[in-house]
Parts: sequence; structure tokens; C-alpha cells
Amino acid sequence: DAGVIQSPRHEVTEMGQEVTLRCKPISGHNSLFWYRQTMMRGLELLIYFNNNVPIDDSGMPEDRFSAKMPNASFSTLKIQPSEPRDSAVYFCASTGRGLSSYEQYFGPGTRLTVT
Amino acid sequence: RKEVEQDPGPFNVPEGATVAFNCTYSNSASQSFFWYRQDCRKEPKLLMSVYSSGNEDGRFTAQLNRASQYISLLIRDSKLSDSATYLCVVKSGGYQKVTFGIGTKLQVIP
Repeated sequence: DAGVIQSPRHEVTEMGQEVTLRCKPISGHNSLFWYRQTMMRGLELLIYFNNNVPIDDSGMPEDRFSAKMPNASFSTLKIQPSEPRDSAVYFCASTGRGLSSYEQYFGPGTRLTVT
Repeated sequence: RKEVEQDPGPFNVPEGATVAFNCTYSNSASQSFFWYRQDCRKEPKLLMSVYSSGNEDGRFTAQLNRASQYISLLIRDSKLSDSATYLCVVKSGGYQKVTFGIGTKLQVIP
């Protein structure tokens, strides 16, 4: 089975440009998480969805960040406009239902560099 | 105070050594605890859950101390392949939201 799929794997963009990160969770999973990882702050939860509904977006840094989950198989994280301090690895993760539903399956991440 | 705290290391240990990591959490109502492993430039992956009675998986032992609010991970007979960052993870509250520690970097040297 395919795991969590993220695209692009690498993104280099200039300050002020719009960036869109994409995620396809594991089929059948009903929760999806967006994280940002930096050396200084570690892995930070940005937002998570349950059954396509945003449950907690308190980790979204500011209005420049937005996330959507139009259906169970697709989510986007958008940064507009991007800034150099947004440079990080962005991970998407999903969890399933049932007794092992706490295990989070991560995608390979998108390495974002904003110059 | 951070919700989950770990010593970032690095811990440099020789092959065959035993190494232990601790992690403290601030929310006494936390319900579930895990250790994840993250290899360099890779995504985190679940290593093991941590049960109240403690649990062992081969060379790895995880323990929970609710009174002192910490969890530990013990690795016996370290292998070069154990070199990675070990992330402490705590679940508090509803749904499946968890909080990750910053991770402890382990380097096993020949």
C-alpha cells in the first residue's frame, strides 16, 4: 500500500511568492496533520483535520498560512506571501481508525527554502 | 514550560553500550505515550508505545513514571544502525492530537 504522499519534495522560492504544499493521506485514514520541523523548534503541529473538518488550527503561525481538506484523499497547505523564516521541512501525517489509531504515519516531507 | 521536554543531545556512545533517554511532560492528564525514531533527512516513524507497566521490544525498553511525569527509553547493546533522533510523544486531550518533543540525537560510534 502507498504511504502518505507529499508533493513537491523540494521547493525553492523567493520571498513574497505563494507556496502550495500537497498531501494525500493513506486511504481509509480519517485524521490528517500538518507539521513544520526546524532545528530550533523541532516538530510543531500546525493544524489537524478529522473527517475533513479542521479541528485545531492553533498552531498556524499567522494569516499567511492556510490549509484545506476538500475531501478525504487530499489536503493543501498554502503560504502566501512566503518569507525566509518559513524555510523548514513540512510534514503531513495521517492516522486511521480503531485501536491503533494513535500511530501517525508521516509522508516524506517537503523541504521548503524561501530566499 | 514546554509540554514535552527532552535533552537534544547529541549522545555519542560506543557500539555495544547501553544508553537511556528521558523525557518529561507537563500535563498530568496525559493519556498515551510513544517513542518515535527519525533518521537523518527522513520522516518520523513509530518505534514503540509506552505502557504503564513498561514494555520491551528486543533491545529496547520503554517505561512510564506517572508520579514524576517522565518516560524513558533504554537501548541495550547499541548498534551503528541505532544512530537517529528519538522523539518523545505525548497525547493529551481529545481526538488524536499529540505533542512531539524536540528529539534526542543518538550517534553510535564504532
